[in-house]
Amino acid sequence: DTGVSQNPRHKITKRGQNVTFRCDPISEHNRLYWYRQTLGQGPEFLTYFQNEAQLEKSRLLSDRFSAERPKGSFSTLEIQRTEQGDSAMYLCASSLSAGTSGNTIYFGEGSWLTVV
Amino acid sequence: AQKVTQAQTEISVVEKEDVTLDCVYETRDTTYYLFWYKQPPSGELVFLIRRNSFDEQNEISGRYSWNFQKSTSSFNFTITASQVVDSAVYFCALSEAPFITGGGNKLTFGTGTQLKVEL
Repeated sequence: DTGVSQNPRHKITKRGQNVTFRCDPISEHNRLYWYRQTLGQGPEFLTYFQNEAQLEKSRLLSDRFSAERPKGSFSTLEIQRTEQGDSAMYLCASSLSAGTSGNTIYFGEGSWLTVV
Repeated sequence: AQKVTQAQTEISVVEKEDVTLDCVYETRDTTYYLFWYKQPPSGELVFLIRRNSFDEQNEISGRYSWNFQKSTSSFNFTITASQVVDSAVYFCALSEAPFITGGGNKLTFGTGTQLKVEL
C-alpha cells in the first residue's frame, strides 16, 4: 500500500532555469492536487485534476507554471524561468472524487525547490 | 471567501501535559468539511481527522480528541498526555462540500501551530 509519491524531494536551481516535479498519486484516486507551501505558512492551493482534466487553477498559478496529468495517473508540475520567489515546497495530494465516502485528501512528502 | 485562523503560532509543553490547539474558521457555505493535519519535520502532511459540518459530535481517537462547535465556528484539537513524538506543526483546514456544490474539494489552510513537547 503506497501513498502519494513525489520526486525529486529536493531541487536547487539557478534563476531562469526550468524545473519539473513529478507526482504519483494513490493508485485508485482520480483526483490530484498541487499545493505550494512557504516557510511559516500553510499550504496554498494551486490546481487540481479529475482524471486527466485540469478543472481548476488558482490565481497563484502564473503563466510560468504548467501542470499536466496526461493519462489520469501521474502528474507533472513545470515551472519555467524560475524566480527566487518560486522557492517553496510543492505538495501533491490525491483523493477520490466528490460524492463518495472518500473525501479525504492525502498528501505526499513534498518537493523542496530552492532558486538561487 | 473561506478563512482559517490558528492564532497560536507556537506552543511548548512538557511531556504528559495536555494541550489544546485552537482553530477558528469562516465560510459562507452551509455545508463544509473541516480537517486537521500533522506536519513533522520530514514535510509530509499526515491526515488526522475529517469532520462534516452536519456532524457536531466530538470525537476521540486514542490521545487525540476534537471539539467541533458550529455556534462559535471552532474546531479545536486536544492532545492528552503529550509525547515528544507529537512535536510537529499542526494545520487546521476547511473545504467546501462537493456533494452540494459539485466543485473540487480544495483545502484552505490556517498558518499552523508549532507544537514542541519537551522531556
